[in-house]
Amino acid sequence: DAKTTQPTSMDCAEGRAANLPCNHSTISGNEYVYWYRQIHSQGPQYIIHGLKNNETNEMASLIITEDRKSSTLILPHATLRDTAVYYCIPRTTDKLIFGTGTRLQVFP
Amino acid sequence: GEEVAQTPKHLVRGEGQKAKLYCAPIKGHSYVFWYQQVLKNEFKFLISFQNENVFDETGMPKERFSAKCLPNSPCSLEIQATKLEDSAVYFCASSQSYRGENTIYFGEGSWLTVV
Repeated sequence: DAKTTQPTSMDCAEGRAANLPCNHSTISGNEYVYWYRQIHSQGPQYIIHGLKNNETNEMASLIITEDRKSSTLILPHATLRDTAVYYCIPRTTDKLIFGTGTRLQVFP
Repeated sequence: GEEVAQTPKHLVRGEGQKAKLYCAPIKGHSYVFWYQQVLKNEFKFLISFQNENVFDETGMPKERFSAKCLPNSPCSLEIQATKLEDSAVYFCASSQSYRGENTIYFGEGSWLTVV
């Protein structure tokens, strides 16, 4: 599975878009890019995933570069409840391998 | 059910006692995963099952830890003779298949405190 690089922490003002980058330059052609978050010590919450195309759901948008070496998770209007650790995880089959993620702090 | 259900939410055991955690995967999901998270640190994969068969046990400690998924029963993770270092949150997760396009969903975890 590909290694990922994410910023350790980021801040975002409430109501603004939060753009969380992830570098996965060694990703293979059949690896999906998954995003999860953990709020406090709750269970990891699935956000979104994609293979090649950009994806959008009710929670977020996922932008994957054409070469697939990086992606950006976009929370369009961040709220205080979005404060969490966000994990970008390339995955082919079987298990998820978590890295250290990005700690996003949303402030009023 | 519609969510991964883990019990108990909290468990306190004295060193040397046995701890047993349970997980009911989402209905229709045949893959179950167990993870350990110590003190909000990184998630450590322990073991996965395809129905009642072990699929991947590369993260499972060789001693004291065992897990089962039996038909018509919740899956279980058992720790014999617990140690202080076993204090952690144990997360169970499930998915429809092992394929990359099938999402893995997590439960809320079981907090184990060994005193």
